[in-house]
Amino acid sequence: DAKTTQPPSMDCAEGRAANLPCNHSTISGNEYVYWYRQIHSQGPQYIIHGLKNNETNEMASLIITEDRKSSTLILPHATLRDTAVYYCIVKDGGSQGNLIFGKGTKLSVKP
Amino acid sequence: NAGVTQTPKFQVLKTGQSMTLQCAQDMNHNSMYWYRQDPGMGLRLIYYSASEGTTDKGEVPNGYNVSRLNKREFSLRLESAAPSQTSVYFCASRKGGQRNQPQHFGDGTRLSIL
Repeated sequence: DAKTTQPPSMDCAEGRAANLPCNHSTISGNEYVYWYRQIHSQGPQYIIHGLKNNETNEMASLIITEDRKSSTLILPHATLRDTAVYYCIVKDGGSQGNLIFGKGTKLSVKP
Repeated sequence: NAGVTQTPKFQVLKTGQSMTLQCAQDMNHNSMYWYRQDPGMGLRLIYYSASEGTTDKGEVPNGYNVSRLNKREFSLRLESAAPSQTSVYFCASRKGGQRNQPQHFGDGTRLSIL
């Protein structure tokens, strides 16, 4: 599975959009980009995933560059409850085995 | 809509005691996973079950056993607990079938071995 690089921390004002970047320059053609978050000591929460097209669901939007070497998770209107560690994971969608969680980005939403 | 349910939420054991962590999912998922998370570290896979009736070792299987009791339930057993197994344990499940299905996690079991 390709390695990912994320900034260790980011701040965002409440009500503003939070844009979390992820670099995955060695991604291969059959690997998907998954985003999870972990709030305090809870279990990781699935947010969104994509292959090459931009994706949107009720939680967030995922923008993947045309060359697929980087992506951005967008939380359109961040709230205090979105404060969490966000993980970008690249994985072959068809394979079993573990998700590799790196250090992620600690997002702090401030009032 | 319960999703993945883990029991117990907290447990304290003495070294050498045995314990079974329970996990159940109500999403009709095929695959199930056990991870552990230690402070400042990412999740590490202990065992997984790709489908009912099968189990496979992950990255850190030593000291653990698993049972895929049926499609819903996947248990993790510590036969003789050691302080190094103090950790937060997460169970996850995945639909399987389609290539890109994500894993969904429970809220964890916090286990302390004294």
